[in-house]
Amino acid sequence: RKEVEQDPGPFNVPEGATVAFNCTYSNSASQSFFWYRQDCRKEPKLLMSVYSSGNEDGRFTAQLNRASQYISLLIRDSKLSDSATYLCVAVTGNQFYFGTGTSLTVIP
Amino acid sequence: DAGVTQSPTHLIKTRGQHVTLRCSPISGHKSVSWYQQVLGQGPQFIFQYYEKEERGRGNFPDRFSARQFPNYSSELNVNALLLGDSALYLCASSFGGRGYTFGSGTRLTVV
Repeated sequence: RKEVEQDPGPFNVPEGATVAFNCTYSNSASQSFFWYRQDCRKEPKLLMSVYSSGNEDGRFTAQLNRASQYISLLIRDSKLSDSATYLCVAVTGNQFYFGTGTSLTVIP
Repeated sequence: DAGVTQSPTHLIKTRGQHVTLRCSPISGHKSVSWYQQVLGQGPQFIFQYYEKEERGRGNFPDRFSARQFPNYSSELNVNALLLGDSALYLCASSFGGRGYTFGSGTRLTVV
């Protein structure tokens, strides 16, 4: 069983739409969580950390549900520039476990 | 400030050969990790080093090895290359584990 599971998509949404990604992790000992964004043929870049209390950064909201072991990312008012692959990460000990990524395309 | 730098950016090797990939972390970062990303997959953890000591190892064969130098730069070595080793190899550095910053990677093609 994979440490982190994500729906690979693709998600194709119109500009201005709200889109949500979910991710589940298998190890209840995982202690921290992140969302990364990866553009085609580029390196992953840290988008935001994820906390149980939820955290917001502009149009992006991340949430952690420890009881259900899932992580979510909500993007409001989608922009064309949001088109990318979004990777969720669960950290267990010293190891970062990445999901396979969810592909998002925002359509004009 | 320079980010995480990796060299070379692209590399083509033949099956059975050896390869060395290099990484310089962000100044002040003492933790370096290596990841392998094949097309369509998320990065897979290979190694983590902190203060020149191996702190974690992923599920990769012994053909993969790494080390960290006193200046915190790192090398990843892969022996007896296989076609399946073709991937993007990413190095990431961290200060205190608060999220990793990735380099732009080395794209290795084994033919």
